[in-house]
Amino acid sequence: GAGVSQSPSNKVTEKGKDVELRCDPISGHTALYWYRQSLGQGLEFLIYFQGNSAPDKSGLPSDRFSAERTGGSVSTLTIQRTQQEDSAVYLCASSLTGLVGGELFFGEGSRLTVL
Amino acid sequence: DQQVKQNSPSLSVQEGRISILNCDYTNSMFDYFLWYKKYPAEGPTFLISISSIKDKNEDGRFTVFLNKSAKHLSLHIVPSQPGDSAVYFCAGAPKGAQKLVFGQGTRLTINP
Repeated sequence: GAGVSQSPSNKVTEKGKDVELRCDPISGHTALYWYRQSLGQGLEFLIYFQGNSAPDKSGLPSDRFSAERTGGSVSTLTIQRTQQEDSAVYLCASSLTGLVGGELFFGEGSRLTVL
Repeated sequence: DQQVKQNSPSLSVQEGRISILNCDYTNSMFDYFLWYKKYPAEGPTFLISISSIKDKNEDGRFTVFLNKSAKHLSLHIVPSQPGDSAVYFCAGAPKGAQKLVFGQGTRLTINP
């Protein structure tokens, strides 16, 4: 499809397990973002990739969270040793050029439930 | 700390009337502001934006007003339609930063 694609759409896991969430941005978009939305909260910035530049990881809540973007396209967000407070909808967005002059296009999100 | 706040978690409006969604921000370091709309099980979609040097931007039924002295912006939808029922997020783009700071969202329900 032409939009941002995320998988899985739903993930239920046990506390302490690792999870990987995948994002396939819109083709040609150089900027990629991960946000998360916890219950009743706004969208919380996690990490930003722009081209070949070093990512902005300032929003990652702990060292259990990491993300990579291979070949300037697909991105994977990894959460190690999941905790119940990690339960949220994880949203990926891409943009043609980054924020300057560009809006963000969001995927449908990956709902993570940690039991 | 750059914060964007939406203090009303929900709003109910009758079809055909005006919907007014409010947003406050805590400092003046935002370059522009955006409104996103989110339906259940879908990602947010861009609705309208306003530069920090403007005080109004209009697009069809949607108008955003920016009051810099009050650090307040609002989204007006008129006339409201049932398809406008969604969660609306206000967001600020900080100067020099490549990320958006979002509010908590307001759930708008349009009643027939």
